[in-house]
Amino acid sequence: AQKVTQAQTEISVVEKEDVTLDCVYETRDTTYYLFWYKQPPSGELVFLIRRNSFDEQNEISGRYSWNFQKSTSSFNFTITASQVVDSAVYFCALSEARNTDKLIFGTGTRLQVFP
Amino acid sequence: EAGVAQSPRYKIIEKRQSVAFWCNPISGHATLYWYQQILGQGPKLLIQFQNNGVVDDSQLPKDRFSAERLKGVDSTLKIQPAKLEDSAVYLCASSWGQGLGDTQYFGPGTRLTVL
Repeated sequence: AQKVTQAQTEISVVEKEDVTLDCVYETRDTTYYLFWYKQPPSGELVFLIRRNSFDEQNEISGRYSWNFQKSTSSFNFTITASQVVDSAVYFCALSEARNTDKLIFGTGTRLQVFP
Repeated sequence: EAGVAQSPRYKIIEKRQSVAFWCNPISGHATLYWYQQILGQGPKLLIQFQNNGVVDDSQLPKDRFSAERLKGVDSTLKIQPAKLEDSAVYLCASSWGQGLGDTQYFGPGTRLTVL
């Protein structure tokens, strides 16, 4: 069965620290997609990245980077030089090609960045 | 480009009352999703529409929840009668509907409190 685990419930850092949010997934599909979303206090889920199962290249976008490793079923997210505006709940999600594209979300990691 | 619109943003009702939520997806998006997010959890899919047809409603409590997307554009989700455990944020999302892990874009959500 498909499952997404975000073991870190809450992380607190001081501004400018680097922080990594962990995501481990389970699926029987060979074709699947992984996502990260940010949920600020306003409540809206903001799309950050989409990765398909055939592309294991790491990706960097500004201060954000993602590390996808199929061997460990992980899709971790790193924020470099964190800022107060990064404070939010971050969700990792999985969709399977054979499963109507519905997203299976983890329970989220609350990141608090203090000045 | 306008994002996913939802209304109302907040709703407070008493148990056994009925309530309806409205969603207008991004223009041109064929697939529309309704998710329920209980406090401290990740969103869970309630129902998925492709144009005006239901693709997946396996997790919709059909004894009290109903949803429609009559003209294949906007959608309404109804709860009748509401229970205390229905207190949650109801998120609407949309995607192009091409399958293969389409990115879903979310609206601001409706926060429902059942007293």
